[in-house]
Formats: sequence, structure tokens, C-alpha cells
Amino acid sequence: AQSVTQLGSHVSVSEGALVLLRCNYSSSVPPYLFWYVQYPNQGLQLLLKYTSAATLVKGINGFEAEFKKSETSFHLTKPSAHMSDAAEYFCAVSDQTGGFKTIFGAGTRLFVKA
Amino acid sequence: DAGVIQSPRHEVTEMGQEVTLRCKPISGHNSLFWYRQTMMRGLELLIYFNNNVPIDDSGMPEDRFSAKMPNASFSTLKIQPSEPRDSAVYFCASSLGLTLNTEAFFGQGTRLTVV
Repeated sequence: AQSVTQLGSHVSVSEGALVLLRCNYSSSVPPYLFWYVQYPNQGLQLLLKYTSAATLVKGINGFEAEFKKSETSFHLTKPSAHMSDAAEYFCAVSDQTGGFKTIFGAGTRLFVKA
Repeated sequence: DAGVIQSPRHEVTEMGQEVTLRCKPISGHNSLFWYRQTMMRGLELLIYFNNNVPIDDSGMPEDRFSAKMPNASFSTLKIQPSEPRDSAVYFCASSLGLTLNTEAFFGQGTRLTVV
């Protein structure tokens, strides 16, 4: 079965600094990967998804992620952090075992300092 | 579309009581998922349905938990009897569920507190 591992449960950056959130996947087949964001007291919403059309995927709010098969990684980046980016971010993978479902990583909470 | 609608948003109940959480998926979506989120265990998939049929309930923690989807526009998650360790945020999500690259759309969640 597919799985994802997020490195770092908490990441803190200064406003204007680069955001890098790490995700590694484990999959025996080409994976379908996602990044979701959860703002306080909200449900998760999709930031971007990788579907093999392009290795660099652009999402909403200036985020992007690069699929690297050699490193089994799908790290999320943003060149310049805003205070409004403070949230929890989840990497996820689609799994076809027993039907289609989404498996989420443990999440990384992003703090943005003024 | 209003998105996935969950009710209630907050529920406080006493240990031993029955709790029913409700979900209305996005119209036209044929897959529905129930997740539980806690600080200790993160986001766990409890059960999911495809075309109203339960496909995988291996994440349901105990027999005290049950879920139904009587039609394409409604699902319930029931806990009977409830226990303090059931306290969590429960999310419902739906998707078109036809391919692996289909994303899930989440409701706002129900925050359950069992005292």
C-alpha cells in the first residue's frame, strides 16, 4: 500500500522567507500525490496535486511542489511566506487498495513570524 | 454548490450516550469518507463508501462505531456508547472517486467532546 511521510511536525519561518515542507512517499506504482492545507477550525482544502503530467506543480496561494522520483519526494515550497500561510499542511497519496482512497501524512504545522 | 455539509459543528455529550454525526456530500460525488483527527493520532480514515456501499471499514476503531449511507446525499456516523477517548474532530469528505487523481473535498468537521 502507498504511504507518505512528512519530515518535521513543526516548521517556523520569518515572514518573507522561503517555505519548505518535506514529504516523502512510498509506492510500488506511480503515485498520485496531493498537498492539502488546514486553517484553524476548518476542514482540509486542496493546495495542489501531482498527476504525472509535469514534475513541477503549481498550486494556489503561490505554493508549488516538485515531484522527484529518484528521491521519492514531493516537497512543498513557497518563495516568500505570508502571515496568512500559518496553518497545518498535509501531504497525501491516493491508494487503490480496496478501492480509491486518500492516505494522509501526519501533517506539518507552519508558523510564520513577523 | 455549498460544499460538504456536516452537522452539528460542535457536540458535547456525556460518556455512555449515543452520538450521531451527519454529512451531506457534494451533489454528484460518488465517494464519501469519514476521518477522525486527534493530536495524538493525526488524521485517520475510519470508513469510506462508494456509490453508497461501504468499501473499507478497517479504520473503524470498535464495534461502538457504525456508519451508514442510506442514499447518495446523506451519511451518518454513530458512536454508541460514547467514551471520553472518542473526543476528536470528525471530518466527512466526498469525491468523484473515479480515478486515483481525484481530490477529496472536506466539510468543516464536527468537534466531539465526551465528558
